[in-house]
Amino acid sequence: NAGVMQNPRHLVRRRGQEARLRCSPMKGHSHVYWYRQLPEEGLKFMVYLQKENIIDESGMPKERFSAEFPKEGPSILRIQQVVRGDSAAYFCASNRGNTEAFFGQGTRLTVV
Amino acid sequence: GQQLNQSPQSMFIQEGEDVSMNCTSSSIFNTWLWYKQDPGEGPVLLIALYKAGELTSNGRLTAQFGITRKDSFLNISASIPSDVGIYFCAGPQPDSGGSNYKLTFGKGTLLTVNP
Repeated sequence: NAGVMQNPRHLVRRRGQEARLRCSPMKGHSHVYWYRQLPEEGLKFMVYLQKENIIDESGMPKERFSAEFPKEGPSILRIQQVVRGDSAAYFCASNRGNTEAFFGQGTRLTVV
Repeated sequence: GQQLNQSPQSMFIQEGEDVSMNCTSSSIFNTWLWYKQDPGEGPVLLIALYKAGELTSNGRLTAQFGITRKDSFLNISASIPSDVGIYFCAGPQPDSGGSNYKLTFGKGTLLTVNP
């Protein structure tokens, strides 16, 4: 009974490259949430998705960031043309709706 | 926007001691959540509080939802080395319609337990 799976665990990108972060929710969960955690900070909400739909993206930066949760396959958080300030831990959580959300282990992005 | 202020920022204690940390807000929350994050891992929910004045325990952990709905505390009794980690309080943002999906997190309390 696997939990929320995120990959890669660590990702290094040069400035200007693209970063793709993947999240497979727990079995039976159709709601996915992405959060970002800067060093020594709490998590900050980015986006909420259900299968094929973005429900709330009010926490997403307006440029370079996008998220999807296709009918088949994992949810993807995509960051284009990364900058040093994008370095952070990105966490995905999932649930069935208004129930407890379980977090993955995160992807630690380092932009060099 | 909403902010949650956690204190203390960090604590260094001896194994066996009791620990208390709290979380305050300038605005009302209808739900308080306490999470623990181990190094290199994601947050894990410890205790959820849904009602003002509620006192809830989970093993050696006890948390209370303040009467004013603007604060909460977490106590850990008889600490052990595996209690080490960062403890976060969190609550749903007002525009999430009462759903817990859009959470505001505090900055965390880093707990170190010396054996």
